[in-house]
Amino acid sequence: GDSVTQMEGPVTLSEEAFLTINCTYTATGYPSLFWYVQYPGEGLQLLLKATKADDKGSNKGFEATYRKETTSFHLEKGSVQVSDSAVYFCALEVGGTSYGKLTFGQGTILTVHP
Amino acid sequence: ETGVTQTPRHLVMGMTNKKSLKCEQHLGHNAMYWYKQSAKKPLELMFVYNFKEQTENNSVPSRFSPECPNSSHLFLHLHTLQPEDSALYLCASSQDVWRDKTGELFFGEGSRLTVL
Repeated sequence: GDSVTQMEGPVTLSEEAFLTINCTYTATGYPSLFWYVQYPGEGLQLLLKATKADDKGSNKGFEATYRKETTSFHLEKGSVQVSDSAVYFCALEVGGTSYGKLTFGQGTILTVHP
Repeated sequence: ETGVTQTPRHLVMGMTNKKSLKCEQHLGHNAMYWYKQSAKKPLELMFVYNFKEQTENNSVPSRFSPECPNSSHLFLHLHTLQPEDSALYLCASSQDVWRDKTGELFFGEGSRLTVL
């Protein structure tokens, strides 16, 4: 079945450090890939997405590139801020006849210190 | 109110109790979802409703009973739960499951359930 594997957390960084959170997937067909973020006390919200191979999703300084050859969608940010502290979820969707059925990774907790 | 609202935010219940979780969305969406978030496990899709009709039941035990009276409201009725059902239950919505190809779900803040 479809699955998403994220790097184990938690990840702790100092402000302005470079961030990478690894994500790899297994899926039948050609999935769309997403990163969702969950800030403390809030629901998940879409951070960025990519719908086909070699697409790069970007938002709020975060980027991720859909790599079909390595089945990966790693999240990166060049300079993190304290406000980026949150839980990050990688997810995939194999569309077809029914969208909205996301398969999520287990989440990676990011803590950024001043 | 805007977005997706879930009540109650916290619920403690015994194994013999009957309780319900409520979700309301103010986004004009037609699809609604229940997800379960357990500690150290990926989010698990439980149910999907599209235009009030259930389109997905992800092998969820019958002690969880969903209800979708209209496109704006979704309930999860709980009875004779087990301690391992303790988790954060997240509601989400999207335009609909047939035409919405964005993959963007809008989530509520969740209802934290503890079963004693």
